[in-house]
Amino acid sequence: GAGVSQSPSNKVTEKGKDVELRCDPISGHTALYWYRQSLGQGLEFLIYFQGNSAPDKSGLPSDRFSAERTGGSVSTLTIQRTQQEDSAVYLCASSLGQTNTEAFFGQGTRLTVV
Amino acid sequence: AQSVSQHNHHVILSEAASLELGCNYSYGGTVNLFWYVQYPGQHLQLLLKYFSGDPLVKGIKGFEAEFIKSKFSFNLRKPSVQWSDTAEYFCAVTKAAGNKLTFGGGTRVLVKP
Repeated sequence: GAGVSQSPSNKVTEKGKDVELRCDPISGHTALYWYRQSLGQGLEFLIYFQGNSAPDKSGLPSDRFSAERTGGSVSTLTIQRTQQEDSAVYLCASSLGQTNTEAFFGQGTRLTVV
Repeated sequence: AQSVSQHNHHVILSEAASLELGCNYSYGGTVNLFWYVQYPGQHLQLLLKYFSGDPLVKGIKGFEAEFIKSKFSFNLRKPSVQWSDTAEYFCAVTKAAGNKLTFGGGTRVLVKP
């Protein structure tokens, strides 16, 4: 597609349930990022994939969070046993993965845990 | 670990006023610098970027930013703002050798008509 696509755009889930958020990066982009944007907060880095390298998971806030990227393209962010503090907008971005390239962002998934 | 600081969380100004948003980063090596903007209800988009060369970078919509290496700063400026500049602005940094983007906390700018 022309841009980074995220689905769903909105997700309401009950506390304790698992959720999966999907990101389709721009075709040909080898780098993919997940960020979290909470109300009144900045952009919190979660995880970064670059080609076939091991992902940088240093931003994942707990072991309830995991992400995978299949075939070097689509990525899924999974949150297990959701908590109310997980409520946020989850943003995905992709880039060409070379040095000196910009990241392009999707519209985000607004997750609400009730 | 690198960090990015944006000094102002909220800025309110009138149309035609000048705008300057501060950004400082902590990484001592070579960096790439970005300003992203998020208009209400829209996704993040790139405003401007610095990789190398002229430290004064011009971006879209009349914005510019100046990289001052000695101050570890990359401040964003616009001489005369418009109501449509109401948005949240984010400074971001990557190490030149990698692509992990680290963002500042953002500055919400409200331009009164």
